Amino acid sequence: DTEVTQTPKHLVMGMTNKKSLKCEQHMGHRAMYWYKQKAKKPPELMFVYSYEKLSINESVPSRFSPECPNSSLLNLHLHALQPEDSALYLCASSQGPVRRTSTDTQYFGPGTRLTVL
Amino acid sequence: AQTVTQSQPEMSVQEAETVTLSCTYDTSESDYYLFWYKQPPSRQMILVIRQEAYKQQNATENRFSVNFQKAAKSFSLKISDSQLGDAAMYFCAYRRWGFGNEKLTFGTGTRLTIIP
Repeated sequence: DTEVTQTPKHLVMGMTNKKSLKCEQHMGHRAMYWYKQKAKKPPELMFVYSYEKLSINESVPSRFSPECPNSSLLNLHLHALQPEDSALYLCASSQGPVRRTSTDTQYFGPGTRLTVL
Repeated sequence: AQTVTQSQPEMSVQEAETVTLSCTYDTSESDYYLFWYKQPPSRQMILVIRQEAYKQQNATENRFSVNFQKAAKSFSLKISDSQLGDAAMYFCAYRRWGFGNEKLTFGTGTRLTIIP
């Protein structure tokens, strides 16, 4: 089973709202990722959690706040977003750095389509 | 820094025919991983095939196969017996080898249309 689930599927929020995106996997993976994807563009990495610790932050604005409560869950807290933050937000997970020869393939969820008004 | 180039923004193929999508990359590393992902209109990124650079044998997954030319830094995807469900955006991706190198570098994508 290579399923990563994300909720909600769609989210519309105003610039003063606070909302959260949720991602869950039950594959025993120890690395989880947030990507942002604008229309007709490839995904852009935002954050990586490895063994529940933030290992990569790609200089993302502080209005995006990630949280990894446990190895199966990843949240992205949103506050004071701008209209240009409207995009598809993808979560992914991978086994994690268990072996140097592992491809550590990332498996993606279906995404949350975010619209900021 | 590594870069991935997909020079074909759009491709089309007749159903049941074969199509090849091209991907080149630039790296100074000798060990790395390469991936092809597809993203259909549903927008979920789906792994198609993966290749470890240290393996000389080209990866295959059913109707999907790659032509990995390490010296030329080329990683093309061949889809045989194309089906309507193959219509999607295809992204080539690169990842460095080893611990702590989780970042995937994506190409700009190739939109594949299947003609019935």
